[in-house]
Amino acid sequence: AQKVTQAQTEISVVEKEDVTLDCVYETRDTTYYLFWYKQPPSGELVFLIRRNSFDEQNEISGRYSWNFQKSTSSFNFTITASQVVDSAVYFCALSEASYGNNRLAFGKGNQVVVIP
Amino acid sequence: ETGVTQSPTHLIKTRGQQVTLRCSSQSGHNTVSWYQQALGQGPQFIFQYYREEENGRGNFPPRFSGLQFPNYSSELNVNALELDDSALYLCASSLTGLTQYFGPGTRLLVL
Repeated sequence: AQKVTQAQTEISVVEKEDVTLDCVYETRDTTYYLFWYKQPPSGELVFLIRRNSFDEQNEISGRYSWNFQKSTSSFNFTITASQVVDSAVYFCALSEASYGNNRLAFGKGNQVVVIP
Repeated sequence: ETGVTQSPTHLIKTRGQQVTLRCSSQSGHNTVSWYQQALGQGPQFIFQYYREEENGRGNFPPRFSGLQFPNYSSELNVNALELDDSALYLCASSLTGLTQYFGPGTRLLVL
């Protein structure tokens, strides 16, 4: 079963529009960690944020913000006032403490295309 | 501080051959994980190494094997290559239990 679901495969927005990426996860663990990574065309995964299951506080970092809701098992990501440099694939990932390591289960990713 | 590096960047092999991919972890990191990313998909966990021992394995056959060296660098070996092994192979390093930082990957094409 897919542990991380990112429903939208490709999203196109015009520059300066906001874009929200949805992430729904599934776990029986009470201790887990959620991540967002950005993958530009070069291929390297760039770490954006990590949240643990005990911290539901939303976070803002510049034009990026994250909304974590345990009640709906969601960890959504919003880019405000998008720029062409935001064009990339964005991955949501889950790490479950029960594995005894920090292995990541990734969603299929959201391809974001920002049109100038 | 040096980030995660991988070599080679690209590789072409034929079915049945063997391949070795290499990864140098970020300075101070003691854990290395390997992921396979097929085209259009999210990365899939292959295995992790901590203190030169395998510390968890995903759903990959035994022909995928690895090593970690005392300096925490790592190798991924794949024997008897199949066409479906064509993918981007990503290495990530971390301190125990913390955030993983990824290298640029090795693109493997199996013909």
